[in-house]
Amino acid sequence: GQQLNQSPQSMFIQEGEDVSMNCTSSSIFNTWLWYKQDPGEGPVLLIALYKAGELTSNGRLTAQFGITRKDSFLNISASIPSDVGIYFCAGSTGANSKLTFGKGITLSVRP
Amino acid sequence: KAGVTQTPRYLIKTRGQQVTLSCSPISGHRSVSWYQQTPGQGLQFLFEYFSETQRNKGNFPGRFSGRQFSNSRSEMNVSTLELGDSALYLCASRGGFGISYEQYFGPGTRLTVT
Repeated sequence: GQQLNQSPQSMFIQEGEDVSMNCTSSSIFNTWLWYKQDPGEGPVLLIALYKAGELTSNGRLTAQFGITRKDSFLNISASIPSDVGIYFCAGSTGANSKLTFGKGITLSVRP
Repeated sequence: KAGVTQTPRYLIKTRGQQVTLSCSPISGHRSVSWYQQTPGQGLQFLFEYFSETQRNKGNFPGRFSGRQFSNSRSEMNVSTLELGDSALYLCASRGGFGISYEQYFGPGTRLTVT
């Protein structure tokens, strides 16, 4: 079945640093979504990408839809303590298809 | 606009019992999906409903079932609970099946089976 790979499982950075995380797949996806989950809450949609090569920003977050349609990247600039959480990528092959999620990356930010 | 709501937020059940969880989507959203989240398996898709019909289904046993009402509210039921069913159950809504990709999640129901 379709799988999305996110690694490493955990990342530790210093406040103020930039961090990049990627998501790869052996299958092609038509849409990539990035979510953040805080403890005890549901995932919150950060960015949605619909076109290969697309680069989209949301504040300090920037995400890109890989040109092969098999990967996506999320960059967080100038990290702050509230960036702590689990970041999930998700892909879809069509608007009538389910979302496939990666296992997530737990981000820790040291003050 | 109010977000996705799920009730109850926390639930403790005994092995062998059954449980029903409820989800109200964002107003105007007609598609509801359910996910199971565990530390070991991550987010696993259960099923999706649109216009009271199941449109997509994940790889879960028949003990897991769902339904959707005419007002788009959805319920999921788990019968004959097992210890391994302990998880955070998340509901997500999107505008429509076949027309929108972006799913918005509720806060989840934390189910503990003892």
